[in-house]
Amino acid sequence: AQKITQTQPGMFVQEKEAVTLDCTYDTSDPSYGLFWYKQPSSGEMIFLIYQGSYDQQNATEGRYSLNFQKARKSANLVISASQLGDSAMYFCAMREPNTGNQFYFGTGTSLTVIP
Amino acid sequence: DGGITQSPKYLFRKEGQNVTLSCEQNLNHDAMYWYRQDPGQGLRLIYYSQIVNDFQKGDIAEGYSVSREKKESFPLTVTSAQKNPTAFYLCASSIAVLYNEQFFGPGTRLTVL
Repeated sequence: AQKITQTQPGMFVQEKEAVTLDCTYDTSDPSYGLFWYKQPSSGEMIFLIYQGSYDQQNATEGRYSLNFQKARKSANLVISASQLGDSAMYFCAMREPNTGNQFYFGTGTSLTVIP
Repeated sequence: DGGITQSPKYLFRKEGQNVTLSCEQNLNHDAMYWYRQDPGQGLRLIYYSQIVNDFQKGDIAEGYSVSREKKESFPLTVTSAQKNPTAFYLCASSIAVLYNEQFFGPGTRLTVL
């Protein structure tokens, strides 16, 4: 079974609008961490935001927020006020201790911001 | 500045040759990782190491080898046994504690001719 599932291969959003990128995960471990990364066309991986499984509140970092719904095992990324520079691939990832602290990545969502 | 360096950025090799990709970090991280990324695809784990002189195979280790003789260095060798080595290779490191992100190098784009 896939540990991380991203069902949106490509998304479009109008500049200045908000967009939600979906991510669901699969784990039986009560302790885990969820991460979002951005990969521009240059190829570098940029860490955006983190959510721990025991965190009571949704994580926020500037224009990024993570909509964490533990019962549904989802960790959607919300980008507010989209900018042209947000056009990139976005990857959701999970880290869990019972697999040696490996990181599991989804297949990614390509976001295009339209002027 | 602390970070991860990978060299070279672009690498060309003839089919049948082994090639070694460099990865160095000065973040004092215990854990290091190698990923392969094909066009339009996600990251697939090749090998990872949580401590010096120890490493584990990831999902696609066949045709690759690694060493971890120093904390700062985790070189990846792409051997001639790897059937389709042309890809983008990313090295990463992290603190070996659950609630910490990975830091990535800039990547090496390997093309086998």
